[in-house]
Amino acid sequence: SQQGEEDPQALSIQEGENATMNCSYKTSINNLQWYRQNSGRGLVHLILIRSNEREKHSGRLRVTLDTSKKSSSLLITASRAADTASYFCATDDQAGTALIFGKGTTLSVSS
Amino acid sequence: EAQVTQNPRYLITVTGKKLTVTCSQNMNHEYMSWYRQDPGLGLRQIYYSMNVEVTDKGDVPEGYKVSRKEKRNFPLILESPSPNQTSLYFCASSGNSNQPQHFGDGTRLSIL
Repeated sequence: SQQGEEDPQALSIQEGENATMNCSYKTSINNLQWYRQNSGRGLVHLILIRSNEREKHSGRLRVTLDTSKKSSSLLITASRAADTASYFCATDDQAGTALIFGKGTTLSVSS
Repeated sequence: EAQVTQNPRYLITVTGKKLTVTCSQNMNHEYMSWYRQDPGLGLRQIYYSMNVEVTDKGDVPEGYKVSRKEKRNFPLILESPSPNQTSLYFCASSGNSNQPQHFGDGTRLSIL
């Protein structure tokens, strides 16, 4: 069961530009998480935002959550070539037994 | 160092030959989970475990088995592998299902 859907599927930008990725989900959530995956490697947790929070920051990352629209966005500011990776949003399922991942946004940052 | 360790990292095998992918975590996490990742389909959960001796099916459990006899280990068993199980597999652990998950580096399985 797919809960989160990221948009766009792929994004190409130049170093120094900002990258924005969006995630939409279908049912009510307790929290929403963003993960990063370098090619073929394991996912790395970036940030968790709770359903009662609207915005959260971590370094160059900014996450927003709009529960009324069932959507979230991840903004990476001043991107670097090292930010090249796939980014996934994940939400808890209604039973509270699993994280449901979207299909991801592939970000390419060229120097 | 906190980590989730999977073995093997790569395996090429043949249809029907039983195999086990091991997963071990050193963070005393109660929750562990297995995912498979396929192009265009994202990550799909195979099985999860809320604690020792407590396991349950995820979205795609057919053809797989798991066990959780100890808190740190959560092996994934393919009793009779088939080519449609060729995939990249990830083990993950966390304090509970809603907390950030720590992922292993993945196991790439090819079933011929």
